Amino acid sequence: ETGVTQSPTHLIKTRGQQVTLRCSSQSGHNTVSWYQQALGQGPQFIFQYYREEENGRGNFPPRFSGLQFPNYSSELNVNALELDDSALYLCASSQDWSSYEQYFGPGTRLTVT
Amino acid sequence: GNSVTQMEGPVTLSEEAFLTINCTYTATGYPSLFWYVQYPGEGLQLLLKATKADDKGSNKGFEATYRKETTSFHLEKGSVQVSDSAVYFCARDNYGQNFVFGPGTRLSVLP
Repeated sequence: ETGVTQSPTHLIKTRGQQVTLRCSSQSGHNTVSWYQQALGQGPQFIFQYYREEENGRGNFPPRFSGLQFPNYSSELNVNALELDDSALYLCASSQDWSSYEQYFGPGTRLTVT
Repeated sequence: GNSVTQMEGPVTLSEEAFLTINCTYTATGYPSLFWYVQYPGEGLQLLLKATKADDKGSNKGFEATYRKETTSFHLEKGSVQVSDSAVYFCARDNYGQNFVFGPGTRLSVLP
């Protein structure tokens, strides 16, 4: 039990739609990172938010965007969904942007049809 | 580049067998290294870590030693249990900001 929760657990969307995934970090953790884990692969870094500002981004297009709120919650938004966006989306919170201790949530399984 | 390579799975062992999962990395400098475990239907859990060369991380009977000369961080356990069945990910930090993960190795332990 990491204290990091994500919602929803599963989601099915149609190509071209938009989706919002949510994460609730551990209290006191001011950094959240989002990862995409395609089936059978390791997680790929999407971006990180530190104190409500984007603090680094992986190789993902601008249609992947995020928000972080003062109450330790955050969102991942994906516009114009593509079939390849089908994956498990993981958020991970940490006390600080440079901390090695990242606590992962259980993930949201997104299926795009 | 900056990447992590793991032995391909699945790995199937009998209970009490010895486990080795190989991991090698590429990096500029000396990153911190990690093993994460993912049980079915769950997120990632940190299993162990090592932050500098020759460090040995250990937890729940698992061990891994940071080998700078071979850029490796192989995971070992002397006697696996059925409950160890999971997917194991080797990872390195990306200059403290996020992690670079390997593709994962699925372990199945049979009773």
